[in-house]
Amino acid sequence: AQTVTQSQPEMSVQEAETVTLSCTYDTSENNYYLFWYKQPPSRQMILVIRQEAYKQQNATENRFSVNFQKAAKSFSLKISDSQLGDTAMYFCAFSQTGANNLFFGTGTRLTVIP
Amino acid sequence: DTGVSQDPRHKITKRGQNVTFRCDPISEHNRLYWYRQTLGQGPEFLTYFQNEAQLEKSRLLSDRFSAERPKGSFSTLEIQRTEQGDSAMYLCASSLTRSYNEQFFGPGTRLTVL
Repeated sequence: AQTVTQSQPEMSVQEAETVTLSCTYDTSENNYYLFWYKQPPSRQMILVIRQEAYKQQNATENRFSVNFQKAAKSFSLKISDSQLGDTAMYFCAFSQTGANNLFFGTGTRLTVIP
Repeated sequence: DTGVSQDPRHKITKRGQNVTFRCDPISEHNRLYWYRQTLGQGPEFLTYFQNEAQLEKSRLLSDRFSAERPKGSFSTLEIQRTEQGDSAMYLCASSLTRSYNEQFFGPGTRLTVL
């Protein structure tokens, strides 16, 4: 069974600084997808970034980038130039290729401090 | 707004009552998912539809839960004889049929069972 672990329940960062959120996962599959989702307070979850396991290059989306270490089964999210609007719960998620559901971690609550 | 919508946003009910939630996916999305999210946890997969066919159900979906997606458009999730343990946020998501399974989430229905 696939499991996703986020070991940081809460984190904080000063506005304009950089923060890294950790995620590890366990799977016996070779082909899969990894995601970071953001869930702002009282708002719906939105996709931040996606990584295909077969790609060695780390995905980037503007201020958001990942460090994907396939052998270590690690998938961390780096947020650069943190903004107040980045305050949210961040969930790491795993999807096996061809599967129909996402496996989520327990989330990291990020607070950006002005 | 062309995102995923859910109704109602909040539902308070007494133990033993039946409740029904509705999800309207993004119009061109043929896949629809239901998840449950309890406090301090990430979303957990409940069930999945491809068009009108319910193709997968989690073991979390007890006999008291039923989901439908008539005509392959909106979906309903019914919980019969609610229990206090059913209190949670029920999330709906939709996606196109693509290999990387990027899912778009609705705002959720928060159920409180008294």
